[in-house]
Amino acid sequence: NAGVTQTPKFRILKIGQSMTLQCTQDMNHNYMYWYRQDPGMGLKLIYYSVGAGITDKGEVPNGYNVSRSTTEDFPLRLELAAPSQTSVYFCASSRTRDRGREKLFFGSGTQLSVL
Amino acid sequence: TQLLEQSPQFLSIQEGENLTVYCNSSSVFSSLQWYRQEPGEGPVLLVTVVTGGEVKKLKRLTFQFGDARKDSSLHITAAQPGDTGLYLCAGARSGSGNTGKLIFGQGTTLQVKP
Repeated sequence: NAGVTQTPKFRILKIGQSMTLQCTQDMNHNYMYWYRQDPGMGLKLIYYSVGAGITDKGEVPNGYNVSRSTTEDFPLRLELAAPSQTSVYFCASSRTRDRGREKLFFGSGTQLSVL
Repeated sequence: TQLLEQSPQFLSIQEGENLTVYCNSSSVFSSLQWYRQEPGEGPVLLVTVVTGGEVKKLKRLTFQFGDARKDSSLHITAAQPGDTGLYLCAGARSGSGNTGKLIFGQGTTLQVKP
């Protein structure tokens, strides 16, 4: 059972470079999310999607872009990487979205450093 | 400022001890969830509480949702080294205008020494 798969696991970027964090899920979930986790700050929602072709901003969307061309895939694009984007990024999915009662399934994360 | 404040932020105890982790807010939540996260992995859902005053038990873990739905606690009895990890609470605020998106607390790092 693969669940939510994220690649790469680790990445180091130089300031100004771009990259795409990949996320795919095999549970046929409509809802997908991108979070970033910084020490002592919990998880902050970057973007989310309620289905193929539909995305919306979360709490901290600046500097990021997403697309959702299929149910399975939800890549996160960083343009012009900045040191403030150094973080651990988690992709998650859920079958439903029910006022915070939905069960989120998380990937194992991408640790990104921007130097 | 964190909408959901967890305390303590760090906890180091000996195997067999009991502990309680708190998740507090001034806002009312329609539900609260608790996740556990191990190093190098994503969070895993432990429980969801939805009714004020609700208590749920998961083996040695007891979760409680406050009567006013503004706070929650996680109590672990006779902690074991396998309980070591980061515990996160998360909730969606109730009331009109709120989007239902999950908000996470900053986490409590628990270390249980053998």
